[in-house]
Amino acid sequence: DTGVSQDPRHKITKRGQNVTFRCDPISEHNRLYWYRQTLGQGPEFLTYFQNEAQLEKSRLLSDRFSAERPKGSFSTLEIQRTEQGDSAMYLCASNAGSSYEQYFGPGTRLTVT
Amino acid sequence: GQNIDQPTEMTATEGAIVQINCTYQTSGFNGLFWYQQHAGEAPTFLSYNVLDGLEEKGRFSSFLSRSKGYSYLLLKELQMKDSASYLCAVRDDKIIFGKGTRLHILP
Repeated sequence: DTGVSQDPRHKITKRGQNVTFRCDPISEHNRLYWYRQTLGQGPEFLTYFQNEAQLEKSRLLSDRFSAERPKGSFSTLEIQRTEQGDSAMYLCASNAGSSYEQYFGPGTRLTVT
Repeated sequence: GQNIDQPTEMTATEGAIVQINCTYQTSGFNGLFWYQQHAGEAPTFLSYNVLDGLEEKGRFSSFLSRSKGYSYLLLKELQMKDSASYLCAVRDDKIIFGKGTRLHILP
């Protein structure tokens, strides 16, 4: 399978717990993006990486959110002290820097109870 | 500021043609995307316009006017499987998405 993969696909957690999601981009893609999407809305940009460097982070992202891409391959998104408002679909996408087309993974659906 | 506007919902009939409009105001512009998203699934790429004019790809066409900050997606010979949300997105350094247009296809 050469597509973008995300793990887990679904996560239910209690408020106050920490969660971590993983994204594996298409292998030759050097850019990786994280988005959050709630019902009836378009994807909202969170952050993106070029190789291992985190180039931009949304101002909407609180200090409870952190993302890494340590070797320029897979990436993790961690949410600390989850709140009910964090419930959403978290989407990962990747593209080669020379290409405009982003390929999306299937997403991780987070439910905070 | 960054703003992308598209209608919230549209309804069309199987076999017909529908045009979904998108207007944008962004600080930078490096191209405009259209994505299709079925309920509960990830967005899939439909088209990309960086120059003014019409890009045709099968039953789908996309138009861009940079001077007007305007684009549309044209879907021909509608099929029931075209029932989905259609997302307009502008590429600056990152990609900014609109809220999407939910298209309902009636038999």
